[in-house]
Formats: sequence, structure tokens, C-alpha cells
Amino acid sequence: DQQVKQNSPSLSVQEGRISILNCDYTNSMFDYFLWYKKYPAEGPTFLISISSIKDKNEDGRFTVFLNKSAKHLSLHIVPSQPGDSAVYFCAASARSGGYQKVTFGTGTKLQVIP
Amino acid sequence: KAGVTQTPRYLIKTRGQQVTLSCSPISGHRSVSWYQQTPGQGLQFLFEYFSETQRNKGNFPGRFSGRQFSNSRSEMNVSTLELGDSALYLCASSAEGQYYGYTFGSGTRLTVV
Repeated sequence: DQQVKQNSPSLSVQEGRISILNCDYTNSMFDYFLWYKKYPAEGPTFLISISSIKDKNEDGRFTVFLNKSAKHLSLHIVPSQPGDSAVYFCAASARSGGYQKVTFGTGTKLQVIP
Repeated sequence: KAGVTQTPRYLIKTRGQQVTLSCSPISGHRSVSWYQQTPGQGLQFLFEYFSETQRNKGNFPGRFSGRQFSNSRSEMNVSTLELGDSALYLCASSAEGQYYGYTFGSGTRLTVV
């Protein structure tokens, strides 16, 4: 049961344009959402997060939007840069058994073309 | 502040052998989680240890096991290796109540031949 889904395995965007990465979830108990970025041969690194009580969070070129009614979140990168080329994982967190449990999506590989 | 350290970085094993991977979390972090990453499968959760106890487990066969020591360092063991076990194994640590998620290590690339 894939509770967090990233339906686009890959995305190509021109440098300077907007990159939009999407993520859908099924568990309404998720109360925190995160995006991680992963380069080859490295571990994922935390990028940006959003609490379920908000619908938008911004950090520089990165903005995450949350639509709770649609159980959908998206990551916008503006403007996209070649260094943004990486795999992006969406993750969702819920309290289960007394502690936070994190579920990851399958990832979207972003290629930013110079 | 040192990050999450995983050893070894690369490993080649023969089918049928067993392997042990090590993870040292960030100082003060008592939770250590293990993930398997394969192409197209994303990050598959293996298990989580907290204060030397396994408190969460993914859907992997019993060949995959782990443990955590009193200093929070964790080891993961895979017995009777199969070709399909070839993957990047990632360890992540977190502080209890840390809502902004994990800090990952760089992973151990396991190749089974």
C-alpha cells in the first residue's frame, strides 16, 4: 500500500524556468510533509517541509504547496538551475504508536537543461 | 557536529554470503532508521531502532535484521544474500520529536554477484 505517491518518475525543465514536482498521499493522518533532494552516491538531504496546518511554505527558490482536500502537495523551484538536477523524494509523517513515522514516495528525477 | 556515518561505502559480496553494514548516528540522536533504495522503488523502509529496541519494521524478509547498541550506533545484517539485494542501503538518524525528519548518511552500495 503506497501511501505516498510520486507519479512522475522523471521531469525535464529548461534552466530558468519553473520546476513543479507533485506528490499525492492517501493517509489523512499525515500531519507533516517534507521534501528531500538526493544526488547520486549521496544520501538524501532535507530541503523544505510544511505542516498540515499550513498551505504554503517558502524558502528562497523553493516553495511547497499543500492542498489537504485533494491530498496533494507540490514543490515549485523557481528559477530552476542545473545544480537542481537530482532525485526529489516527497515524504509524509504521522504519529503512530506514540512516535512520528515517516513514509517516502518513490522519487522524481529532475533534469534541468542548461 | 558530525553527520551520519555509514561504513563501508561500497561492498561486493557473493550470492549466499552474509553482510553487516554499520551506521553511526548524529550525536544525541537515539533513533536510527534503515532504508533500501533501488531504481524505480524509491526508499523502502527496512526498520527503525530507538534506544536499542526495534520499534518499527517494514515488509522485508527475515534475512534482513538489525540491532542498535547503547551508544545508538546501529548495524544491519543481511544473510543468504540474493542478487536482488543489490542496492544502496541508507541509514538515517533523528532526534525524538524532530518533526523535520531525518539526517541521512551517504549510504552503503552493496553489489551481490
